[in-house]
Amino acid sequence: DTAVSQTPKYLVTQMGNDKSIKCEQNLGHDTMYWYKQDSKKFLKIMFSYNNKELIINETVPNRFSPKSPDKAHLNLHINSLELGDSAVYFCASSRTSAYTDTQYFGPGTRLTVL
Amino acid sequence: SQKIEQNSEALNIQEGKTATLTCNYTNYSPAYLQWYRQDPGRGPVFLLLIRENEKEKRKERLKVTFDTTLKQSLFHITASQPADSATYLCALPRGDSGGGADGLTFGKGTHLIIQP
Repeated sequence: DTAVSQTPKYLVTQMGNDKSIKCEQNLGHDTMYWYKQDSKKFLKIMFSYNNKELIINETVPNRFSPKSPDKAHLNLHINSLELGDSAVYFCASSRTSAYTDTQYFGPGTRLTVL
Repeated sequence: SQKIEQNSEALNIQEGKTATLTCNYTNYSPAYLQWYRQDPGRGPVFLLLIRENEKEKRKERLKVTFDTTLKQSLFHITASQPADSATYLCALPRGDSGGGADGLTFGKGTHLIIQP
């Protein structure tokens, strides 16, 4: 009964390929996010979706395209992968309400681009 | 946008002592501040949230203070144990008021090592 799950956990691929990461949450939250944690462990938000609607797109190249088929799922598709895309990608969810935005994170997907 | 600084990248503490981690921020005053724990190879896990009108919050061996004048939060672990070794992240709402699906801005974290 994992709260936020991601697949795959590891992803190794060649430059130029297209790949997807899937995320699902069973917490009944209405907001989901993608964060990127680089090699220096700096965790930065990429996207935010609320009730399937894109809320935040933080200066992310348009090679990254999130898709939310329903409130419980938020997938991340990456086109034309580059070396600099190597990082750990975390999905998170939260219950949107005033004055709280506690994030529940998935286990992460370690992407390595060769 | 909010900028967050956490003290030193690594902090070594003797088992049984109190570990104190610092989080300083700039720009606007946030409605709340959160602390997370991250273990290697895992996602961050929420520990505590403290609101702007609260001076102190406790949870078991954890204590958080929030000084909106100094723009600083202190995170204390009393009677520290080797199992407390992890990276601790400070986080603030990205929006002025918090909430609203804006997500969080995270500090780079402090790697805490509790030595037996």
